[in-house]
Amino acid sequence: NAGVTQTPKFQVLKTGQSMTLQCAQDMNHEYMSWYRQDPGMGLRLIHYSVGAGITDQGEVPNGYNVSRSTTEDFPLRLLSAAPSQTSVYFCASSYDEGNEQYFGPGTRLTVT
Amino acid sequence: AQTVTQSQPEMSVQEAETVTLSCTYDTSENNYYLFWYKQPPSRQMILVIRQEAYKQQNATENRFSVNFQKAAKSFSLKISDSQLGDTAMYFCAFMKHGEYGNKLVFGAGTILRVKS
Repeated sequence: NAGVTQTPKFQVLKTGQSMTLQCAQDMNHEYMSWYRQDPGMGLRLIHYSVGAGITDQGEVPNGYNVSRSTTEDFPLRLLSAAPSQTSVYFCASSYDEGNEQYFGPGTRLTVT
Repeated sequence: AQTVTQSQPEMSVQEAETVTLSCTYDTSENNYYLFWYKQPPSRQMILVIRQEAYKQQNATENRFSVNFQKAAKSFSLKISDSQLGDTAMYFCAFMKHGEYGNKLVFGAGTILRVKS
């Protein structure tokens, strides 16, 4: 099992550009989430999904879109990048309620 | 809304000694889960230990144990026989029981440095 994979590992964008952060898991997990990590603030939930076709907003959803067409994939789209979106982004998945969340290796995004 | 507070931004400990990291949380829920995650310099998030609030017994995993005080809403992590590989950022996290989507609320983290 590869676990949770994320691409790219690093990305630099200019303000106003759009891009998609990819996340995939091969553990057949229903629950998937996107978090951002900023210095001094821990991780904050952006969007989450409880299965294919079902997504919802987390704590900091503005400026991001998600969709979940398959169990395996959960991409995060930045519509128009802003410097405030400079952060490290983590994708996570879990099997069931209250279970361990498995995290991907993260994507470091810089918006100039 | 739930909040998680880690009051120690940085800690250091000598190799082979014991260190305790503090975590408090605020919730009106009775059933929930608590976690400690470790993030080494590689940036990978690794589960250290998990506690279910309805269980009185404190969770342990080898050299890692917790002191779960439900009434005080406290969830500290004790690391015994500290090793250089324990150097990392440690995050305390909270999840409500029955939470749609398995949403974690994280504290700001504590940087732990193990010295030789």
